Amino acid sequence: DTEVTQTPKHLVMGMTNKKSLKCEQHMGHRAMYWYKQKAKKPPELMFVYSYEKLSINESVPSRFSPECPNSSLLNLHLHALQPEDSALYLCASSPRGGMGETQYFGPGTRLLVL
Amino acid sequence: EDQVTQSPEALRLQEGESSSLNCSYTVSGLRGLFWYRQDPGKGPEFLFTLYSAGEEKEKERLKATLTKKESFLHITAPKPEDSATYLCAVQAGGFKTIFGAGTRLFVKA
Repeated sequence: DTEVTQTPKHLVMGMTNKKSLKCEQHMGHRAMYWYKQKAKKPPELMFVYSYEKLSINESVPSRFSPECPNSSLLNLHLHALQPEDSALYLCASSPRGGMGETQYFGPGTRLLVL
Repeated sequence: EDQVTQSPEALRLQEGESSSLNCSYTVSGLRGLFWYRQDPGKGPEFLFTLYSAGEEKEKERLKATLTKKESFLHITAPKPEDSATYLCAVQAGGFKTIFGAGTRLFVKA
């Protein structure tokens, strides 16, 4: 089973709202990733967690706050977003976060910031 | 600087018309090259991972090959359901995976 699930599928929020995106995998993977994808563009890496520790933060604004409560769960907390943050947010996982590992993606959360 | 370039940007084929998509890369120390298929509004679906020049992998109508400078995704006798964006990604010396801009494939019945 190579399934990564994400909730919600769609999210509309105002610029003063606080919301969270959730990602879950049950493949026993120890690395999890957040990507942002704008329309007709490739995914851009935001954060990487390896063994529940944040290992990469690609200079993402502080209005995005990741959290990894355990090896199966990854959250992305959103606060005071801007309209330009509207995008498809993708979660992925890989076995250990090592080099050359295949990442398996979830279906994404479509976020619209009004 | 590490770079991944995919061509063409878009490709229109008739059903049954075989073709190839190209992924050129300039990275220092390739650790892995990945092909994904992405349908509109959905997450990328994993197709292949290639690690070294000369490696080839096949799955149904798709075949991926790798040289020291580029990878090809060959599509044999495509069907309309093969229409999607095909993404190439590489992982080099760091842990960051770099994606190409993708090739949008349209297969007409």
